Amino acid sequence: KAGVTQTPRYLIKTRGQQVTLSCSPISGHRSVSWYQQTPGQGLQFLFEYFSETQRNKGNFPGRFSGRQFSNSRSEMNVSTLELGDSALYLCASSRNSGRAINEQFFGPGTRLTVL
Amino acid sequence: AQSVTQPDIHITVSEGASLELRCNYSYGATPYLFWYVQSPGQGLQLLLKYFSGDTLVQGIKGFEAEFKRSQSSFNLRKPSVHWSDAAEYFCAVIYGGSQGNLIFGKGTKLSVKP
Repeated sequence: KAGVTQTPRYLIKTRGQQVTLSCSPISGHRSVSWYQQTPGQGLQFLFEYFSETQRNKGNFPGRFSGRQFSNSRSEMNVSTLELGDSALYLCASSRNSGRAINEQFFGPGTRLTVL
Repeated sequence: AQSVTQPDIHITVSEGASLELRCNYSYGATPYLFWYVQSPGQGLQLLLKYFSGDTLVQGIKGFEAEFKRSQSSFNLRKPSVHWSDAAEYFCAVIYGGSQGNLIFGKGTKLSVKP
């Protein structure tokens, strides 16, 4: 069974640009969550999508948005990039919503560098 | 504020030695508790979790963790470390029910000496 895949794996952008990251969950998984990992703030929850609906959102500005398609694939978009957005963005999928009960499987992440 | 603390940023142990990684949570009610491992260039992998019941939980790769309510702790242990255990370990908690968000500690990087 293929794991969670994220594309691209590495990305370099400049301030003010926007970026879209993609996540393909494990087959049969309907929930996709996104996390930001930085050396300073650690791992922080961005949002979760389940059946194409945003179920939960972390404490991030509106520049961070996402969506989920009918095949459960998800995209995350960051507009007007800032230097502080440089991070590893992790995607995790689970069969159902509810992070306590449903084990999340993480992808390898997309490393975003903002210059 | 709801938080989780991993006091040790970096730990070095010799191969074959025992390991204990510390984790403390802040909230009063017992949260859902997790330990994840992240190897370089890879995503996180769940080692074990605690919801209720027996306070000693067994996980994958020979790891175990013990929940101690009186100390608000959920420490991860392994009796004999292997070189392949070198990685970063994250304790995580969910407060306020099963729909809550994962709150991660800052992580403990484990190095293993031959």
